[in-house]
Amino acid sequence: DSGVTQTPKHLITATGQRVTLRCSPRSGDLSVYWYQQSLDQGLQFLIQYYNGEERAKGNILERFSAQQFPDLHSELNLSSLELGDSALYFCASSAGFNQPQHFGDGTRLSIL
Amino acid sequence: DQQVKQNSPSLSVQEGRISILNCDYTNSMFDYFLWYKKYPAEGPTFLISISSIKDKNEDGRFTVFLNKSAKHLSLHIVPSQPGDSAVYFCAASEVGGLTFGKGTHLIIQP
Repeated sequence: DSGVTQTPKHLITATGQRVTLRCSPRSGDLSVYWYQQSLDQGLQFLIQYYNGEERAKGNILERFSAQQFPDLHSELNLSSLELGDSALYFCASSAGFNQPQHFGDGTRLSIL
Repeated sequence: DQQVKQNSPSLSVQEGRISILNCDYTNSMFDYFLWYKKYPAEGPTFLISISSIKDKNEDGRFTVFLNKSAKHLSLHIVPSQPGDSAVYFCAASEVGGLTFGKGTHLIIQP
C-alpha cells in the first residue's frame, strides 16, 4: 500500500461529458502529480502541484485542469471528453524535490 | 522523441540468477533516476533511486548503476525470485514530473 488513494477506481462516461478524478496524497507529502497511461503513449506526466500551487506542467490538454486544496488532496478535471481520453490516470505524491514519487492504483476512464 | 528508452520489451531469467534491466536516456539535464515495478491493475511501486552525483546505489537485492558519460543506467536484481516477475519502468527527473521508459517485462522462470 503506497498510501496514495485515488477515487473512483473505474469511470465510464460518454463523449462530450466532464468528469472529476480525486487523489489523496500520502500523509505529509506536499507535492501531487498527475499522469496519464494510454496503450500507445505509456506513462505521461500531466501536471504537478506543490502545497496548493501549480509547480510544473507536462503534456496536459487545455480541456484538462487540476487543483490542490488546503487539505492537500487534489482533483483532476477532464471536460469535453473524447474517445482518445480513455486511459488510466495515476496520481503520485512525494515529500519534495528529488524524492521518490509514490503512486496510487489509478482511475480507469472509459469513454463510450 | 523518447528521452528515456528501455530497448528490451521483455527479459526471461532463471530463478536464483541475476536479472539486469537496462535503460538509456538522452536528456543531460536529468539529475535523478528511479526504477519502478508494476503489476497489472496496480500503480507503479517505487523500488530504488539514484542521484546524478552517485554512480551506484544498493538496497537489499536491488542495485542501480548510473553511467553518466554513456547516459545509461541499469538495475540488477540478485538473486531473482518468482515474485520479481512484473513490468519494470525506468524513470528520470529534471524539474516536475517524471519521464518514463516504455517498460521491460521481467519473467522469472523456475
